[in-house]
Amino acid sequence: NAGVTQTPKFQVLKTGQSMTLQCAQDMNHEYMSWYRQDPGMGLRLIHYSVGAGITDQGEVPNGYNVSRSTTEDFPLRLLSAAPSQTSVYFCASSSRQGLNSPLHFGNGTRLTVT
Amino acid sequence: GNSVTQMEGPVTLSEEAFLTINCTYTATGYPSLFWYVQYPGEGLQLLLKATKADDKGSNKGFEATYRKETTSFHLEKGSVQVSDSAVYFCALSVWDTGRRALTFGSGTRLQVQP
Repeated sequence: NAGVTQTPKFQVLKTGQSMTLQCAQDMNHEYMSWYRQDPGMGLRLIHYSVGAGITDQGEVPNGYNVSRSTTEDFPLRLLSAAPSQTSVYFCASSSRQGLNSPLHFGNGTRLTVT
Repeated sequence: GNSVTQMEGPVTLSEEAFLTINCTYTATGYPSLFWYVQYPGEGLQLLLKATKADDKGSNKGFEATYRKETTSFHLEKGSVQVSDSAVYFCALSVWDTGRRALTFGSGTRLQVQP
């Protein structure tokens, strides 16, 4: 029962470095998304995908890229890390983009940019 | 726009006390409403949901009623346990310009003391 798997759990980057946060789900969910969680701000949507080959921007997309080549995987790329990107990142999926479809979350990646 | 307002925490209670966490919302359409719970070191997981006015969602002794007239979805539990210590997020889901818009509150930390 893996659900949504995120790697790595922790990462420290220097300003300007790039990296990819991995996300995989084994529930055959159409919808996948990336959020960042910052203290006192709840969760903010970065990018989302409604199916393989289809991605779109969320509320805070700047500095991040995504792709969806398979149903299972939805990696998040940081192009040139900045201290403002220090956050906890969550990948989440749902069976479809329905109003009542709950999100299934991974356990998060804690990223620090120095 | 869409927004969710939760009471600020932390909320500190003794075991077996009654819990209420307030949540009010504004939405551009007719939303579905959710409560998610986040235990330390984990991602969010669905606690309960309600999809139309006067619906009551319930799970694990927690309840919340969808009140359209007061735009509220307060979370209640009659007798909390130490294991309920976590962060609780209220969220709404609504169609907005052709896509699902999910909005989360900033979260309320609950600490239950033995």
